Amino acid sequence: NAGVTQTPKFQVLKTGQSMTLQCAQDMNHNSMYWYRQDPGMGLRLIYYSASEGTTDKGEVPNGYNVSRLNKREFSLRLESAAPSQTSVYFCATGQGTVYEQYFGPGTRLTVT
Amino acid sequence: KNQVEQSPQSLIILEGKNCTLQCNYTVSPFSNLRWYKQDTGRGPVSLTIMTFSENTKSNGRYTATLDADTKQSSLHITASQLSDSASYICVVEGGTYKYIFGTGTRLKVLA
Repeated sequence: NAGVTQTPKFQVLKTGQSMTLQCAQDMNHNSMYWYRQDPGMGLRLIYYSASEGTTDKGEVPNGYNVSRLNKREFSLRLESAAPSQTSVYFCATGQGTVYEQYFGPGTRLTVT
Repeated sequence: KNQVEQSPQSLIILEGKNCTLQCNYTVSPFSNLRWYKQDTGRGPVSLTIMTFSENTKSNGRYTATLDADTKQSSLHITASQLSDSASYICVVEGGTYKYIFGTGTRLKVLA
């Protein structure tokens, strides 16, 4: 069981470039989440998917889009990267609100 | 404003000693409070989840307490080990899918 996997592990983009962060889980969880973690700040929720076929905005959705491709996969897309999106991005899964979340290893993104 | 504040920001203790980390929150409504452990360069790992009616919850050498009246929680680590060196993050779920994360306490355990 791989749990929660994220690709890539590291990425450097130039301002204006686009990219998609991939997340996959083999835990059969209903809910999936995308967070960003910045120095000196708590993790912040970007988007979440409560169940397959649904997606909703979190606290900081601007500049991002998501796709819940199927129950296993949840991707995060940056259409036009900005330096303010330099961060560590974590995907997480869980059975839903009030249940514990399982985090992936993270993607470290730098936008120059 | 919904906030979660953790103290201390950082802590150094000797292996084998106990320590207590604090979390104060001003979040409403309140659904549950979580503690996570995050090793450097890794994703957070859940330690406990506590609902309004739970006062204490243990996970091995980790014991979390919750006082919903004073809006305070603590995480007590007993007989610390070198592997306990990590950041410990307090999170309050305030309403459905609304997670307010603290900035964490960085713990260093020395041999």
